[in-house]
Amino acid sequence: QLQLEESGPGLVKPSETLSLTCTVSGDSGSTNFHYWVWMRQSPEKGLEWIGSIDYRGTTYYNPSLKSRVTISKDTSKHQFSLRLTSVTAADTAVYYCARRDLLTSPIWGQGTLVTVSS
Amino acid sequence: EIVMTQSPLSLTVTPGEPASISCRSSQSLLFSNGHTYLDWYLQRPGQSPQLLIYLGSSRASGVPDRFSGSGSGTEYTLKISRVEAEDVGVYYCMQAVQNPLTFGGGTKVEI
Repeated sequence: QLQLEESGPGLVKPSETLSLTCTVSGDSGSTNFHYWVWMRQSPEKGLEWIGSIDYRGTTYYNPSLKSRVTISKDTSKHQFSLRLTSVTAADTAVYYCARRDLLTSPIWGQGTLVTVSS
Repeated sequence: EIVMTQSPLSLTVTPGEPASISCRSSQSLLFSNGHTYLDWYLQRPGQSPQLLIYLGSSRASGVPDRFSGSGSGTEYTLKISRVEAEDVGVYYCMQAVQNPLTFGGGTKVEI
């Protein structure tokens, strides 16, 4: 059964870069038009889509975060990653990774809390 | 950006009774392939969102059949045929037909 797990520092200092990795396990390895998604949830903003990367490596970012976000993937390691630069307290949230495609059930990771604080 | 509006904001339900949550989108969620990209999630207290329904009406694996999704165009509904105590939490709809993916503000269900 496919599982996704987020990993990375739970504490990031203001103005620094938040880096998270999502590791995919139990996948058949087929790309099948999948796209890999990062989202976050905070009490202030609720659930928010950060961006996605598709099976071809094309990226799509939320316009509100586009200048600070980079999403990449390493198919050989079954991982995809999020970088968010110049973080502030407003970036404190639970971060989720997910896999989506056009026909099958979306699958989310359990989420990881990232706190921005000095 | 597609705006997702849920109603009601909160709902107090009686175990064994039905419940219904509405979700309205500012644009149609019907994609060119004929599928509707609307998900429903339940977030129980202290947990991550759990997928209930995808493609508007397809129940996710392991989800009890008392949950059903329906709708088309810009109007969608999640129905619980007989509410159970474990159904408390916040329900969210989410559209995935167009970037940026967007969420409804949530409906809090209490017993």
